[in-house]
Amino acid sequence: QSALTQPPSASGSPGQSVTISCTGTSSDVGGYNYVSWYQQHPGKAPKLMIYEVSKRPSGVPDRFSGSKSGNTASLTVSGLQAEDEADYYCSSYAGSNNLDVFGTGTKVTVL
Amino acid sequence: QVQLQESGPGLVKPSQTLSLTCTVSGGSISSGSYYWSWIRQPAGKGLEWIGRIYTSGSTNYNPSLKSRVTISVDTSKNQFSLKLSSVTAADTAVYYCARVPFYGSGSYHYAFDIWGQGTMVTVSS
Repeated sequence: QSALTQPPSASGSPGQSVTISCTGTSSDVGGYNYVSWYQQHPGKAPKLMIYEVSKRPSGVPDRFSGSKSGNTASLTVSGLQAEDEADYYCSSYAGSNNLDVFGTGTKVTVL
Repeated sequence: QVQLQESGPGLVKPSQTLSLTCTVSGGSISSGSYYWSWIRQPAGKGLEWIGRIYTSGSTNYNPSLKSRVTISVDTSKNQFSLKLSSVTAADTAVYYCARVPFYGSGSYHYAFDIWGQGTMVTVSS
């Protein structure tokens, strides 16, 4: 099971938007609506930001949104704030192989 | 509020077996529809899913680690554990345990919704 593909980095100025892609296959991202996104600050455990492609857990700002088209999922952070600077990982349930898989990770920089 | 806490040796010698335990507090490991997972992260690198266990005892493992991994659960102690055999320096990482709901109204289905703080394991002689 290969890792999902994410761009290594993304950046934007405060107030701008940034979108991160997460590309898998029909066995994971494309086959199930169980894509989730995690934010990780240095030295901290990952935090769930989006689940089931586009749903936000309670307490997550609505600046964070998710979507999916085919085998590619996306996370958009609108109205970038300094505290959004972090690493972001996607994950997908890969039910056909009964596995979970993570993305390669994207470092978001707020300029 | 459910919390997870990893514990175990921080230093393991090459070729030996890494053993970690995740203790679940604030709720029963057997209640609800969850599976319990291990994830690791080498320094400066990404997250790698290791495997999962259901409270029934059913397991699934990352194919790249399957031959060396065993995950078990002890519901009486509200814990689940990871054993990774024949370790090398490449197994040096922060190891996390996490919970994944897979059923139930209002649950964050198939997402790692609660994580432990992580524990650093170094493989070195």
